[in-house]
Amino acid sequence: QKEVEQDPGPLSVPEGAIVSLNCTYSNSAFQYFMWYRQYSRKGPELLMYTYSSGNKEDGRFTAQVDKSSKYISLFIRDSQPSDSATYLCAMSGSNFGNEKLTFGTGTRLTIIP
Amino acid sequence: NAGVTQTPKFRVLKTGQSMTLLCAQDMNHEYMYWYRQDPGMGLRLIHYSVGEGTTAKGEVPDGYNVSRLKKQNFLLGLESAAPSQTSVYFCASRHELYGPKGRETQYFGPGTRLLVL
Repeated sequence: QKEVEQDPGPLSVPEGAIVSLNCTYSNSAFQYFMWYRQYSRKGPELLMYTYSSGNKEDGRFTAQVDKSSKYISLFIRDSQPSDSATYLCAMSGSNFGNEKLTFGTGTRLTIIP
Repeated sequence: NAGVTQTPKFRVLKTGQSMTLLCAQDMNHEYMYWYRQDPGMGLRLIHYSVGEGTTAKGEVPDGYNVSRLKKQNFLLGLESAAPSQTSVYFCASRHELYGPKGRETQYFGPGTRLLVL
């Protein structure tokens, strides 16, 4: 079983819809949770970062962490065609410094105009 | 700032050939990473470095070597390429402390697509 599970999709939604992307994980030591966005043939870029449980909002994006359920979500409001990309969740443990990120496999999202 | 750059962008190798992938960053970052990305596997860490002259193994280090002779450069070497090393390779770097979006702000390069025949 992978430490981080993410539905690969693909997921297609109409422009303006609310998008929900999710990951589940098994390692209770994870404390830092991130969402990366990766456009086709590009490197990933950090979109959202959350420490421990709770919500964080940045414009049209909201990241949610439920450590009790080992479940994280990314919500995109008023989705735009420019949001079409692969979204990767990533997590790391409590050691400060050079610990590795554990990535999900990514969900491919297409916003239909 | 160019950020993180990678060369080459694309390469085809025959089994047994060797090559070096170059990663360069101009952000004065201490930490640098090499990942590979394969369908259904996500990003997996190959090797990383916490500073000039240091390297360490990641999750999938076998068949690869790295060097960090200069702070701004991180080289990934394949001594004898195998078809299983066909992948997209990403380099990333981050500041020693906090980035603008938190402690794990890793900046990724555009990737190198490698095909081993």
